[in-house]
Amino acid sequence: DAGVTQSPTHLIKTRGQQVTLRCSPKSGHDTVSWYQQALGQGPQFIFQYYEEEERQRGNFPDRFSGHQYPNYSSELNVNALLLGDSALYLCASSLAMEIYGYTFGSGTRLTVV
Amino acid sequence: AQKVTQAQTEISVVEKEDVTLDCVYETRDTTYYLFWYKQPPSGELVFLIRRNSFDEQNEISGRYSWNFQKSTSSFNFTITASQVVDSAVYFCRPMNYGGSQGNLIFGKGTKLSVKP
Repeated sequence: DAGVTQSPTHLIKTRGQQVTLRCSPKSGHDTVSWYQQALGQGPQFIFQYYEEEERQRGNFPDRFSGHQYPNYSSELNVNALLLGDSALYLCASSLAMEIYGYTFGSGTRLTVV
Repeated sequence: AQKVTQAQTEISVVEKEDVTLDCVYETRDTTYYLFWYKQPPSGELVFLIRRNSFDEQNEISGRYSWNFQKSTSSFNFTITASQVVDSAVYFCRPMNYGGSQGNLIFGKGTKLSVKP
């Protein structure tokens, strides 16, 4: 049973560019959440998608947007990249609002230069 | 406002030592869940345990045990006879009963290094 799959694994972008990160949830999970984790810090919640709608959002600017597809997979888009957007981006899937604990992917390491 | 504190930034032990990781959660909520996650060097966060605020029984799973004390808002995690494979960053995080994501916070984590 595949867990959460994220792509790409690593990415290098130039300041001002746009990036799209992808996530396939664990089989049977319907909720996808995205987190940003800076080096040496705990994950920071970006937003959560359920039934193709953004249900909750953390304290991130509108440059961060997302989408969830009917098959529950999700994308995270970041526009106008800043150096400070360099981080590990983690996708987590769950069933019914994470009551039973998230399953996390291995993340996408984004470096903005 | 909710606040989760993992006061220990880094801990280093020698293999076979016991180690306890501390977590304190401050909230006005009377009902909530608390989770522990492990993040090995590979980066993937691994779910370890979920406890609810009504259940103060200690739980043991193999070498892992958890002690939750609502009176002190502490949810501590003990690894008995530590092994090198336990080396990772451990995160504590809360979630309120309603599933509201307003307090979707993780602690800052405790980096555990187990030396052979």
